[in-house]
Amino acid sequence: AQRVTQPEKLLSVFKGAPVELKCNYSYSGSPELFWYVQYSRQRLQLLLRHISRESIKGFTADLNKGETSFHLKKPFAQEEDSAMYYCALNPGYSSASKIIFGSGTRLSIRP
Amino acid sequence: KAGVTQTPRYLIKTRGQQVTLSCSPISGHRSVSWYQQTPGQGLQFLFEYFSETQRNKGNFPGRFSGRQFSNSRSEMNVSTLELGDSALYLCASSKSSGGEQFFGPGTRLTVL
Repeated sequence: AQRVTQPEKLLSVFKGAPVELKCNYSYSGSPELFWYVQYSRQRLQLLLRHISRESIKGFTADLNKGETSFHLKKPFAQEEDSAMYYCALNPGYSSASKIIFGSGTRLSIRP
Repeated sequence: KAGVTQTPRYLIKTRGQQVTLSCSPISGHRSVSWYQQTPGQGLQFLFEYFSETQRNKGNFPGRFSGRQFSNSRSEMNVSTLELGDSALYLCASSKSSGGEQFFGPGTRLTVL
């Protein structure tokens, strides 16, 4: 079964500390993986996707097929990073969208 | 350019009624996807429409249906409402099926 697991409901770190939001997926094929973010009172929005291999707002995520993980990392957390983060999987590249979301991790950055 | 809009933003219905939610995608976007968000189940995919055709469907009962019009606007219908249908319903649009999705603000449905 296709599944995305985010083991932490809440992650609290100090400003300037490194951040790692964990995401593991279950899928037998080659999925497309994303991180979505929802800031307070804002819409859900795409943060990054693994095929882009970009760094957005200082965040990076590497797909590890061996460990079926797609952890989100940032070396130095900023207060504006506080938000809800969702890891997501699309089972088919360039095909119909059927995004499967994880349960989300609330990231809280302490000053 | 204007983002994805959803109407109404809030809705209260009673069990057994039916409801229709509307989503207007970003201009030029042809794919519209619908999601249900609840505290217990999180974000769950309902269905996707592209060029007026349903391309994919999640694991929801047949009471949940949708359609897309020629201008890419989409509607979602839930018949015979149940208490468990209370949720935030999100719509997302993208230029192509499988492309980056842009989300609307959601419609908060409460079933009493």
